[in-house]
Amino acid sequence: EPEVTQTPSHQVTQMGQEVILRCVPISNHLYFYWYRQILGQKVEFLVSFYNNEISEKSEIFDDQFSVERPDGSNFTLKIRSTKLEDSAMYFCASRIRAGQNNEQFFGPGTRLTVL
Amino acid sequence: SQKIEQNSEALNIQEGKTATLTCNYTNYSPAYLQWYRQDPGRGPVFLLLIRENEKEKRKERLKVTFDTTLKQSLFHITASQPADSATYLCALDRYNAGNMLTFGGGTRLMVKP
Repeated sequence: EPEVTQTPSHQVTQMGQEVILRCVPISNHLYFYWYRQILGQKVEFLVSFYNNEISEKSEIFDDQFSVERPDGSNFTLKIRSTKLEDSAMYFCASRIRAGQNNEQFFGPGTRLTVL
Repeated sequence: SQKIEQNSEALNIQEGKTATLTCNYTNYSPAYLQWYRQDPGRGPVFLLLIRENEKEKRKERLKVTFDTTLKQSLFHITASQPADSATYLCALDRYNAGNMLTFGGGTRLMVKP
């Protein structure tokens, strides 16, 4: 069964460093998402991406964040200058299309630890 | 402001019983409501989706109801098993440009043998 994959599973970085989290969505899906979950808290929406551009973003997704689909298969989330409060699980998700009876498929997550 | 509330206290039930989890929302007009399962350290896994014009949806031992007047969804697991122990997340899905999901805080279910 096709699945969303994410790398790395765990990333440790120093405050102020740049990190890139990688995702490979399901191949025929058209909508891509990043969510994050701080330990013990809700899953929070960060950004949605369709047709090579951001379609929606939350207040969390400020200028420090960016997304890219560089090669038609990978979908990346970059944090330019990490802060302690960026420590969380980051989940990538994909969806075959919007506005239909379609669920989002989530990856296993990347645990980001900012020291 | 928009709120989605799930019972934050863990629900403990005996194997074989029916588990009922509640999701309440305010200041939302969702097109769809979805339920996901999340195991510790893992990503959410989709279980069921119900549309705003549907009252009830079933899949095997799972049943979801959606009352847009009460702004509430109930999620039932019948004949529960210890393997059903997990956190269950309710998520609202507005039909908008990004179709983002807004999640509740989840309810942890523990099924005891």
